[in-house]
Amino acid sequence: GAVVSQHPSRVICKSGTSVKIECRSLDFQATTMFWYRQFPKQSLMLMATSNEGSKATYEQGVEKDKFLINHASLTLSTLTVTSAHPEDSSFYICSATRTVQETQYFGPGTRLLVL
Amino acid sequence: GDSVTQMEGPVTLSEEAFLTINCTYTATGYPSLFWYVQYPGEGLQLLLKATKADDKGSNKGFEATYRKETTSFHLEKGSVQVSDSAVYFCALLSGSARQLTFGSGTQLTVLP
Repeated sequence: GAVVSQHPSRVICKSGTSVKIECRSLDFQATTMFWYRQFPKQSLMLMATSNEGSKATYEQGVEKDKFLINHASLTLSTLTVTSAHPEDSSFYICSATRTVQETQYFGPGTRLLVL
Repeated sequence: GDSVTQMEGPVTLSEEAFLTINCTYTATGYPSLFWYVQYPGEGLQLLLKATKADDKGSNKGFEATYRKETTSFHLEKGSVQVSDSAVYFCALLSGSARQLTFGSGTQLTVLP
């Protein structure tokens, strides 16, 4: 159990367009989902924490109007990169937990390339 | 604040060699400790965890013991395989925080 999927796995888009990334918990209900960004050969940087039915909490320095997060159900959270630019190119990874203190289970990641 | 310091890589070993990747932490309270593994082009997979002092997490031949006195959670494996080549992340979840704090990651390459 505890499988998290992400879609798409890879996306290439033109500068100025918006891209939506989905994160789903397949076999459990996730009260909390996390969105991370990872640059090549670096650790994960937490972008935001989202709880089902409420607004996401963004980390310092992360633009909430650029990275829109929606956690509409207990099995789905979405990250929309609005008006994407080449510097937004990165590997985006989500994770999900059943409860606050439980282990985070990670999705396989989405590689975004903005041309 | 909470922090995790991980042995810098890259680490290159021959198959069947002994592996140690050091990890130390600073945190308030009594954190839970984790090792995650990331294979090329993929997300993170939980490798093992320990939730209290002296607990030993183990999985797939890997082990790590939660040492409160030395604030450490070193990852070990007695005999590595080529398929163990990946990036390994040490992480903690403190009692008060709801988010993981990651170390910088250690790239392991095992040569046949």
